[in-house]
Amino acid sequence: DTGVSQNPRHKITKRGQNVTFRCDPISEHNRLYWYRQTLGQGPEFLTYFQNEAQLEKSRLLSDRFSAERPKGSFSTLEIQRTEQGDSAMYLCASSTGQGPYGNTIYFGEGSWLTVV
Amino acid sequence: QKEVEQNSGPLSVPEGAIASLNCTYSDRGSQSFFWYRQYSGKSPELIMFIYSNGDKEDGRFTAQLNKASQYVSLLIRDSQPSDSATYLCAVNMGDDYKLSFGAGTTVTVRA
Repeated sequence: DTGVSQNPRHKITKRGQNVTFRCDPISEHNRLYWYRQTLGQGPEFLTYFQNEAQLEKSRLLSDRFSAERPKGSFSTLEIQRTEQGDSAMYLCASSTGQGPYGNTIYFGEGSWLTVV
Repeated sequence: QKEVEQNSGPLSVPEGAIASLNCTYSDRGSQSFFWYRQYSGKSPELIMFIYSNGDKEDGRFTAQLNKASQYVSLLIRDSQPSDSATYLCAVNMGDDYKLSFGAGTTVTVRA
């Protein structure tokens, strides 16, 4: 069984460009999460899916951010018109969502975004 | 007040010593608590979770939870240089799914 897979691992983009990150969760994990982490801070919750349904978006997720999980399997996070403040590591995580330990989340390796 | 607070460190301990990390949280209704280890430039890796008051041991790691004091800690026994990392405390703040993280405590184990 593979873990959570994210790509690309690193992305450098010019301000104003759009970027898209992909996440493949652990198989059979119903819940998928996106977090963002900047230097010296802990991960901050962005959004969450239960199967294909997006159940919550953080206030951190501006209108330039959109996430999808169309078939309840992989997910994409798109950032439109990137700004320098978007530079961060974008972390995808998944959990089973079932049983007493269903909220235990496992992170992927992260996607580093640098906006220049 | 931050939801989850940790001492930022750095915490420097000699090899073989015990490293003690502390975490406090604001939501008294929190139910589940997690410790993640994060090496520089890498993503967080789950070390332990604890749900009930008291101690939980896993190898060289012991998590301690005191819900009345809204306090959770992590002890690392027989610290090794490979334990040098940032340790993140995460708390389920009552929602069914999302974790709130502290800023992390950086631990350096001196050989």
